[in-house]
Amino acid sequence: QSVLTQPPSVSAAPGQKVTISCSGSSSNIGNNYVSWYQQLPGTAPKLLIYDNNKRPSGIPDRFSGSKSGTSATLGITGLQTGDEADYYCGTWDSSLSAGQVFGGGTKLTVL
Amino acid sequence: EVQLVQSGAEVKKPGESLKISCKGSGYSFTSYWIGWVRQMPGKGLEWMGIIYPGDSDTRYSPSFQGQVTISADKSISTAYLQWSSLKASDTAMYYCARSSMVRGVIISFDPWGQGTLVTVSS
Repeated sequence: QSVLTQPPSVSAAPGQKVTISCSGSSSNIGNNYVSWYQQLPGTAPKLLIYDNNKRPSGIPDRFSGSKSGTSATLGITGLQTGDEADYYCGTWDSSLSAGQVFGGGTKLTVL
Repeated sequence: EVQLVQSGAEVKKPGESLKISCKGSGYSFTSYWIGWVRQMPGKGLEWMGIIYPGDSDTRYSPSFQGQVTISADKSISTAYLQWSSLKASDTAMYYCARSSMVRGVIISFDPWGQGTLVTVSS
């Protein structure tokens, strides 16, 4: 059971928009920055979003991040078949067992 | 280009020891943290721990404390993850990733190494 809760799967058609949610608590998302990672099949994760809503250089603006309270959201517009991947949210948890925590991951299918 | 290159896949027997590596290049290796993340077959990401090669300050996830040892040799820009006695349940892909910590909090992981697959089987 992951500390951060993500939907197991989402799907949408090419060209459409999709959002992926990440729910936590005051000890993690509520008081720390959220990052999002994309893991294409058979490859290592790649940073998509950091500090809730910032994109590293090279990440297209089709990808966006937001945070409100104890939840965060990844948005992807203009879906492409190449976006099919697993997406993970991550943040720091400041509870007694402090450390980096990840969501369970969301499988995006582009129909 | 900032890059982390990990050592190759390993096949080990239960009870054996193992040390895998992660070599950084394209940046000041002693100025960033290196984290280790486990991904068991078909499962999600789990943070194991992190080391600052500049002074070898090391933090472990409570789930992995005492189970693995993280170290670094700054003279060759390489971080390590080691086990003294492997179990079948250690079978997984292991990733290293560069990180920054601000006020004791990991900010993000970027970039990631390509991963090292560890298979433990009798």
